[in-house]
Amino acid sequence: DSGVTQTPKHLITATGQRVTLRCSPRSGDLSVYWYQQSLDQGLQFLIQYYNGEERAKGNILERFSAQQFPDLHSELNLSSLELGDSALYFCASSVVSGVSNEQFFGPGTRLTVL
Amino acid sequence: SQQGEEDPQALSIQEGENATMNCSYKTSINNLQWYRQNSGRGLVHLILIRSNEREKHSGRLRVTLDTSKKSSSLLITASRAADTASYFCATAGIIQGAQKLVFGQGTRLTINP
Repeated sequence: DSGVTQTPKHLITATGQRVTLRCSPRSGDLSVYWYQQSLDQGLQFLIQYYNGEERAKGNILERFSAQQFPDLHSELNLSSLELGDSALYFCASSVVSGVSNEQFFGPGTRLTVL
Repeated sequence: SQQGEEDPQALSIQEGENATMNCSYKTSINNLQWYRQNSGRGLVHLILIRSNEREKHSGRLRVTLDTSKKSSSLLITASRAADTASYFCATAGIIQGAQKLVFGQGTRLTINP
């Protein structure tokens, strides 16, 4: 158990809908990272927050957005969902902002768009 | 495009044998990390090697880094059935002005009993 929690575990929804994925980092970790894992694209970095502020952006679509709240939990919002958004979404956390240390991954949310 | 390219894509060996996975990358890095993922689960950090290090050990794991060739290898000795998983290298560096960790496509390792 990494100490990172993600909810829900599974999410099934229809095209065009909007969903919110939630992540609670390990106690004491200030950085939260979001990743998308699909069979064809592999593990793609989406976005990073550090202590409430956006720190780095990766291959995140404009239909996706995220935020980190004062209690450090983070939410990833996916809207106007398409079939291709079906994937595993992981949240990871680390103590620091940079990548000099390991990241601790949550168990993931499996999103299925029908 | 992805920083890390892993080789082989899949590897199947007998229990007790050693498994070697390779990772190549394209640009300068701060460090290189290896992660393991059991099917459909979250990634677990295995080992981190900094750009000024050449070799690192952790239990049955041995990682080497050759920055001149921009490559790394992960060796798992005396493999066990529980080592069956996908293994990813991740390169850490400055990409588009920000520090990022970029994952390779992974090597799927199967240990046969």
